[in-house]
This record gives sequence, structure tokens and C-alpha cells, in this order.
Amino acid sequence: AQSVTQLDSQVPVFEEAPVELRCNYSSSVSVYLFWYVQYPNQGLQLLLKYLSGSTLVKGINGFEAEFNKSQTSFHLRKPSVHISDTAEYFCAVVDQGAQKLVFGQGTRLTINP
Amino acid sequence: GAVVSQHPSWVICKSGTSVKIECRSLDFQATTMFWYRQFPKQSLMLMATSNEGSKATYEQGVEKDKFLINHASLTLSTLTVTSAHPEDSSFYICSARGPIQPQHFGDGTRLSIL
Repeated sequence: AQSVTQLDSQVPVFEEAPVELRCNYSSSVSVYLFWYVQYPNQGLQLLLKYLSGSTLVKGINGFEAEFNKSQTSFHLRKPSVHISDTAEYFCAVVDQGAQKLVFGQGTRLTINP
Repeated sequence: GAVVSQHPSWVICKSGTSVKIECRSLDFQATTMFWYRQFPKQSLMLMATSNEGSKATYEQGVEKDKFLINHASLTLSTLTVTSAHPEDSSFYICSARGPIQPQHFGDGTRLSIL
């Protein structure tokens, strides 16, 4: 069964510093990959998705992610973070043709002034 | 972009009562809707998948008689927590997906059972 691992449960970063949130998935079959952000007491908002094509995907709020098939990774990056980026970030994967999203455990990004 | 509306956002009720949560896709037809439960500081746990006009498919360990799901139209799914008890207190999130779309999530419902 598909599984997703977010290697860091918490990532503290200073404001305006770059950040990378790591995500690895287990299956080597064709997949769709997603990053979602969750602000306190809210649902999930789609940051970006990889379905096909270019392996570098740009999303909202200045985030981007790179799909690396050989390393089964989909790490999320932002060159300069803001206080407002403080949130929980979830990586998710779905096998092509399947319906269920499989979520990682989440990474809490904390931005310090 | 695609919008999913979830209502209510917060509900507090007495033990033994039933609570209904609505999930609506506002600008697309949701052929599939999903219901998740999220405990504090944890990831989302899929409870069930519902396709419009069909019975919901429940994940292992989820009581179908406890968590009643109805997906009667392409824009509305409901989750009813029957005879709720304090251990049912949680954050419930729905998501909806059209034929060729990623899942779009509602803002969640915080359920507190006294």
C-alpha cells in the first residue's frame, strides 16, 4: 500500500530565510502528488500539485516543489518565508486511477521573527 | 477556484444527541466526496468515501451505523454522528472531487460533545 513520509514533524525557521519541507512516498507506480496547507482550525488548502509534465511545480504563496521519481520525493520549498506561512503542511499522494489520498504525518512550520 | 463549503464550523452538544454536518461543492459537480477525522496535532484519517447515488465505502474500523453518510446529489454530502459521545469529539473535514480534479477541502467542523 502507498505510504507517505514527511521526515520532519516540526521545522522552525527565521523570517525571510529559505525553507524546505521533505516528503517521500513509497510506491514507484505512477502517482499524483500534492501539498496542502492547514491553518489553525481550518480545512486544507491546496498549495500545488504534480500530475504530469515538468517536474518543477509552482504553487500559490511563492511555494514550489520538485518531483523526483528516482528518489520518490516531492519536497516543498520557498526561498523566503513570512510570518503568515506559519501553518501545518501535508504532503499527499494518490495512485493514478485510485481515489484515496494518502497523507503524510504533517510538518508544522513555525516562522520566527 | 473550486470551493467546498462545510457547515457548521463548530458545534457543541450533549452526549446522546445526533449531529449532522453538511458538505457542499459550490462551483463544481462532486462525483466523489470524502470524510476525514483529525485529532489534535495529527494527520487526517479517512473515514469513508462516497460516490453520488451509491452507498459510502467505510474504512476499516469506522462504524457505519455510528457515522451515517449520505451523498444524494452531486453537490451535497452529509455526515451524521448518531448518539454522539465525548470520544466522538474531533475535527471533521470533508473534501470533494470532480471527475478530473484534485480533492478540495472544506474548512472543517469542530465537534465537541459534553
